[in-house]
Amino acid sequence: QQPVQSPQAVILREGEDAVINCSSSKALYSVHWYRQKHGEAPVFLMILLKGGEQKGHEKISASFNEKKQQSSLYLTASQLSYSGTYFCGTANFGNEKLTFGTGTRLTIIP
Amino acid sequence: DSGVTQTPKHLITATGQRVTLRCSPRSGDLSVYWYQQSLDQGLQFLIQYYNGEERAKGNILERFSAQQFPDLHSELNLSSLELGDSALYFCASSAPRTSGYNEQFFGPGTRLTVL
Repeated sequence: QQPVQSPQAVILREGEDAVINCSSSKALYSVHWYRQKHGEAPVFLMILLKGGEQKGHEKISASFNEKKQQSSLYLTASQLSYSGTYFCGTANFGNEKLTFGTGTRLTIIP
Repeated sequence: DSGVTQTPKHLITATGQRVTLRCSPRSGDLSVYWYQQSLDQGLQFLIQYYNGEERAKGNILERFSAQQFPDLHSELNLSSLELGDSALYFCASSAPRTSGYNEQFFGPGTRLTVL
């Protein structure tokens, strides 16, 4: 089943913070976060593994609550370049296939 | 630039036709994934190959097929095309899993328009 992301869309002014959430109904092994600009390929941001390990972008942080099967992506002091649609992708143990969420469209205005 | 290449960039064809989309993974990556992205469906996983063998399958239609060749490039074949097949098709690749991380790197995509 497809993870559910919230909010669906958000508009921020430059410098404000944003939180994007991703919830799954299935037990997760890893959560991947991607950003996609219109008409372009998704770009890898971060990966979080069950157990707390993570790897990714220096200026973006994320959390993974295994009990709640949720992940949140934190964008602080947002820049114009952060605009785009953010997708979470979830994977189960032993399975590299990603099931992507519904997407969150983030618009940063000056 | 992710290092994943896809050709062609754009493809316009008619209903009932057959097309082939090509993907070359990043150097050293053994896994190739295919995704379909249409306006109302988001990113949908189609199929994964690992070192030439099918590893996982998503909601891929019977009219669609894929393969990965010995040089690790992959092709996605779409036949008996319908209007609803119009979408962006992405290929992604990832390195052999060693530590649990398997971030996927996406190619630029092929935009397919079926008229």
